[in-house]
This record gives sequence, C-alpha cells and structure tokens, in this order.
Amino acid sequence: EAGVTQSPTHLIKTRGQQATLRCSPISGHTSVYWYQQALGLGLQFLLWYDEGEERNRGNFPPRFSGRQFPNYSSELNVNALELEDSALYLCASSARQGRADTQYFGPGTRLTVL
Amino acid sequence: QKEVEQNSGPLSVPEGAIASLNCTYSDRVSQSFFWYRQYSGKSPELIMSIYSNGDKEDGRFTAQLNKASQYVSLLIRDSQPSDSATYLCAVNINSGYSTLTFGKGTMLLVSP
Repeated sequence: EAGVTQSPTHLIKTRGQQATLRCSPISGHTSVYWYQQALGLGLQFLLWYDEGEERNRGNFPPRFSGRQFPNYSSELNVNALELEDSALYLCASSARQGRADTQYFGPGTRLTVL
Repeated sequence: QKEVEQNSGPLSVPEGAIASLNCTYSDRVSQSFFWYRQYSGKSPELIMSIYSNGDKEDGRFTAQLNKASQYVSLLIRDSQPSDSATYLCAVNINSGYSTLTFGKGTMLLVSP
C-alpha cells in the first residue's frame, strides 16, 4: 500500500512570492492534515480537510490556505512568503472508518524562503 | 490552552538498556494518544497509539497511559543505536475536531 506522498521535496522561493505544496493521501483516506515544523520547533497544526471541506484551522494567518480535491488530494498555498515561513511542511492523512484519528505522515516538503 | 509537554532531552542510554520517555498533557478530556518517532530531517513515523488506561505492548515498545494523572509514557526495551531519534507525543482531543496536538519531542541517544 502506497503511503502519503508530497511534492515537491524541496522548494526555494524569495520573499513575497507564493508557494504551492501538494499532497496525496493513502488510498481510502479522506482526511488530509497540514503541519508546519520550523527548525527547533514542534509540529504546528495548520489545516484539516475532509470530504473537500476545511474542517479546522490552526493559529496561522490567512495567507496560509488550501483546498482538497474530489480525489482527496490536497494543496497548501502560502502567499506573500516571509523568511519565517521557511520550514518542513508535513501532510498527514487518516481514514474515515475505524480509528479516524490515527494520522500517517508523508515525507514532507522543505520550503526555503530567501 | 491545550498543551502537550515533553522533556526535550537528550536522553542518553546505553545499548540494551530501557529508555523511558514521558509526556504530560493539560486537557482532561483528551481521548487518544500517540507516539511518533522522527529521525533527523525525516517525517514522523507512527509507533503506537493508546486509548485506555494501562499498558499496551508492541514488540520492544510499551505505551503507558494514566488519564487521572494526565500522563502518557513510552518504554523502549533493549534499546538499539537505531532507536536514536526524536520521539513525539501527540494527543487528540476528541471534541469533534480530529486534530493532533504535538509535544516538542524528546531526543533519545542510544550509545553502542
């Protein structure tokens, strides 16, 4: 069974630009979560999507946004990039059935803002 | 503020010893608890989940949960150098919002 996939692996942008990160969940999983892990900091919850809808949002400014597509894949957009947005962005997915709160992570996208 | 607290470490143990990792959480209504392992530069990997008070064993790993004390721990028996990683405690507050709150993690170093 294929795990959660994310693209790109690395992304380099300059201040003020926009970044788009993509995630494909495990087959059969309907929920997608996005987290930010800045260097030396813990995982910070960004967004939760389920069945195409945003279900919950962490304490991040509106320039962090996303969407979930009909095939349950998801996209995270970060507008007006700032230096402090440099971090590892992790996507996780969970199933609708059974223990729906068990999350499995993808390999992450390393975003560097110059 | 719902929080998850872990000692940042590093926790150093010799190969073959038992490593004990601890986590406390602030919200009494928390329902689900998870331990993830994260190697440097990699993404978190699920080790175990626990939902009921008591112990849960899986191979060399044992998770222990005490909801009254708001405390969850992970024991690693026969520690190996390959266990050297950061261990993240995560708590799900089942209030209808299926999101995890993570601790900052404890770094474990297992010396040969």
